[in-house]
Amino acid sequence: AQSVTQLDSHVSVSEGTPVLLRCNYSSSYSPSLFWYVQHPNKGLQLLLKYTSAATLVKGINGFEAEFKKSETSFHLTKPSAHMSDAAEYFCVVSDTTSGTYKYIFGTGTRLKVLA
Amino acid sequence: NAGVMQNPRHLVRRRGQEARLRCSPMKGHSHVYWYRQLPEEGLKFMVYLQKENIIDESGMPKERFSAEFPKEGPSILRIQQVVRGDSAAYFCASSPTLNDYEQYFGPGTRLTVT
Repeated sequence: AQSVTQLDSHVSVSEGTPVLLRCNYSSSYSPSLFWYVQHPNKGLQLLLKYTSAATLVKGINGFEAEFKKSETSFHLTKPSAHMSDAAEYFCVVSDTTSGTYKYIFGTGTRLKVLA
Repeated sequence: NAGVMQNPRHLVRRRGQEARLRCSPMKGHSHVYWYRQLPEEGLKFMVYLQKENIIDESGMPKERFSAEFPKEGPSILRIQQVVRGDSAAYFCASSPTLNDYEQYFGPGTRLTVT
């Protein structure tokens, strides 16, 4: 079965410092992986997606993620945090084994940005 | 192209009442997914529908919950005889094709059961 594990439930960084949100995946097949962001009481916005093309994926708002098969990881990074980055971040794998491509979500990482 | 639309955005129901949540997918999208987000938790898959067909309802509670996606009109998630534990945010997502992988999410319906 496919799954994702977000290793930190909360991350705090100072404004202007790098952001690292960690995600490990489990999949027997080449996975399709996504990062979504959810601001308080809002819907989900796609940050970036990996679908077996380049292993370094660039997304919106300066975020990027690197797919590392040897480490089964897909960590999200940003060089310099902004106050507006404070939100909940979800790592997601698409269930390609069932033929439905339903999403399997991680438990989320709440990012706090300190002034 | 309008995004995925959900209504109502907020819904308050008393225990025992029925809740109907609506989702209009993006134009040209024929695949609809429903997810539930309980307070302080991640999203969990509920059901996947194509026009007039339920394809996968493995995440739906066995009782009181049903979903449909008719040939015309929005997809409906229906919860009968709501209980306090049904209080959650319900998100709908749509996709144009099964192989597109990316799903586009609506703003969600926040259901509160009093």
